[in-house]
Amino acid sequence: AQSVTQLGSHVSVSEGALVLLRCNYSSSVPPYLFWYVQYPNQGLQLLLKYTTGATLVKGINGFEAEFKKSETSFHLTKPSAHMSDADEYFCAVYRDTGRRALTFGSGTRLQVQP
Amino acid sequence: EPEVTQTPSHQVTQMGQEVILRCVPISNHLYFYWYRQILGQKVEFLVSFYNNEISEKSEIFDDQFSVERPDGSNFTLKIRSTKLEDSAMYFCASHGRGLNTEAFFGQGTRLTVV
Repeated sequence: AQSVTQLGSHVSVSEGALVLLRCNYSSSVPPYLFWYVQYPNQGLQLLLKYTTGATLVKGINGFEAEFKKSETSFHLTKPSAHMSDADEYFCAVYRDTGRRALTFGSGTRLQVQP
Repeated sequence: EPEVTQTPSHQVTQMGQEVILRCVPISNHLYFYWYRQILGQKVEFLVSFYNNEISEKSEIFDDQFSVERPDGSNFTLKIRSTKLEDSAMYFCASHGRGLNTEAFFGQGTRLTVV
């Protein structure tokens, strides 16, 4: 079964600074990778996804992520943090090849300091 | 924009009672899921449902859990005899046909077992 590891349960950045949230996956085959954001007391909203094709994917709210097979990584970035970005972010991968059920990372809570 | 809806948003129940959590997936989706998130922890897969049967389940989904699609629109999760450790946020999700599509999540039902 696939798994994902998110390094850093909490990340704090200043407003306007680069955001980098780390995600590594374990997979022997090219995975499908997702980043979701969880707003307070709400469900999960998709930020972006990698399935096939271009390894740099752009998502909503100015976020992007790059799939690096050699590093088994799918880190989430945003050039300039905004106060409204302060939420919890989850990296996810399909549990098994050909299956659509997701395995989530443990989440990273992003804090944005004024 | 189509969305997954869940009811109720909050449910408080006494230990040992049965609860049913309800979900209306996106109408043209074919795959349905339940996930749970214990407070402060990551989102965990419970079960997936396709073509009127369970297609995959996790080790969490034991005999006290069941799922049903009683009609063409609703998808339910039943917990037969709730335990304190069942207290969590339960998310329903649905998915279209292709592997390169993403799961859409409902806003969740917060279940509190007292």
